Amino acid sequence: SQQGEEDPQALSIQEGENATMNCSYKTSINNLQWYRQNSGRGLVHLILIRSNEREKHSGRLRVTLDTSKKSSSLLITASRAADTASYFCAHGGATNKLIFGTGTLLAVQP
Amino acid sequence: KAGVTQTPRYLIKTRGQQVTLSCSPISGHRSVSWYQQTPGQGLQFLFEYFSETQRNKGNFPGRFSGRQFSNSRSEMNVSTLELGDSALYLCASRSTGGVGEKLFFGSGTQLSVL
Repeated sequence: SQQGEEDPQALSIQEGENATMNCSYKTSINNLQWYRQNSGRGLVHLILIRSNEREKHSGRLRVTLDTSKKSSSLLITASRAADTASYFCAHGGATNKLIFGTGTLLAVQP
Repeated sequence: KAGVTQTPRYLIKTRGQQVTLSCSPISGHRSVSWYQQTPGQGLQFLFEYFSETQRNKGNFPGRFSGRQFSNSRSEMNVSTLELGDSALYLCASRSTGGVGEKLFFGSGTQLSVL
């Protein structure tokens, strides 16, 4: 299976703390994207990092990419209760289709 | 701009029946992808259509099919439903489906097969 894996599967933190999620994939990529899903609804795009980039920031989000290890991480700083959701990485390659990881369920306690 | 619209939101069917799900992409988007989401398998890619042609396909049996119309609206069909087809079916659109484009998702159709 080309599906990526995310670690941890679930994460529980207090408001104000940082949350880090990791993603591994198996194939060559030209970009990697992170999405968020609230409780069985559609996914919302958060951030995209290209294969020639190593780090990218967007507001409280920071994404890193290590193509030699085929891995990426998403850091959410100063978490809020509203950040409670599932987070998925998705990698895209030559075929343009996006393959999603298994997801991390983040719970931020107020 | 209106977002991606999926209908119906919920659907209950029995084994052996068939079902058709509908997706209207964001205006101007020509690429529509379909995903199946289950607790056990996560998000699995079904297929992608672009300008009425299937461009990519996942590893699903032939019971799963789709099509895209000239206005970019898409439908997916599942025939001879099985219990394991119970899932959230998500549709996503993007402008051309080119490298590096992000997906815009609909809210999904929750299918329950009894």
